[in-house]
Amino acid sequence: ETGVTQTPRHLVMGMTNKKSLKCEQHLGHNAMYWYKQSAKKPLELMFVYNFKEQTENNSVPSRFSPECPNSSHLFLHLHTLQPEDSALYLCASSPQSRAGTDTQYFGPGTRLTVL
Amino acid sequence: GNSVTQMEGPVTLSEEAFLTINCTYTATGYPSLFWYVQYPGEGLQLLLKATKADDKGSNKGFEATYRKETTSFHLEKGSVQVSDSAVYFCALSDDYKLSFGAGTTVTVRA
Repeated sequence: ETGVTQTPRHLVMGMTNKKSLKCEQHLGHNAMYWYKQSAKKPLELMFVYNFKEQTENNSVPSRFSPECPNSSHLFLHLHTLQPEDSALYLCASSPQSRAGTDTQYFGPGTRLTVL
Repeated sequence: GNSVTQMEGPVTLSEEAFLTINCTYTATGYPSLFWYVQYPGEGLQLLLKATKADDKGSNKGFEATYRKETTSFHLEKGSVQVSDSAVYFCALSDDYKLSFGAGTTVTVRA
């Protein structure tokens, strides 16, 4: 248990559906991250939030829409996804962003399948 | 830009064997270096880290030394157990972005 929870753990959706992934951290951290983990590819950083402000969007398609209402919660809203978006989506948090020595703490991930 | 290269897997070992996973990096600044581990069905967990040259990170019998002269951070364990079966990721952090290697799958057989 790392102090970062993600729901749901598994999600199957059609290309026309709208769904949201939720991440919550109980560590008192100020920075939160979304990563995409696809088979045979390195982890890809998608978004970074620091003190609820988005500080990084790593050229992510607009069908992925993040939301960070407070420092403890992070959402990823999904709409009109493609089958190639099927992957494990990992949330992470750290004490602050722009501190290269900080450890990032990861949640267990949401396994997303797009049909 | 920053990048991490780690040895391709999969790696299969017998219990009590010696494990080495090579990791080299390219970075413009003075990054921190990390090894993360991912057990089946779970997210990534920090295994160890080193924040400056010649630092040695260690945890659960694993060790890695930050070698600036060879830009390497190789992971070693002297005697692996079945419970060490997992995917291991080398990563570097420059500022706040973590750059990951592709991961090395390790399977330890009893």
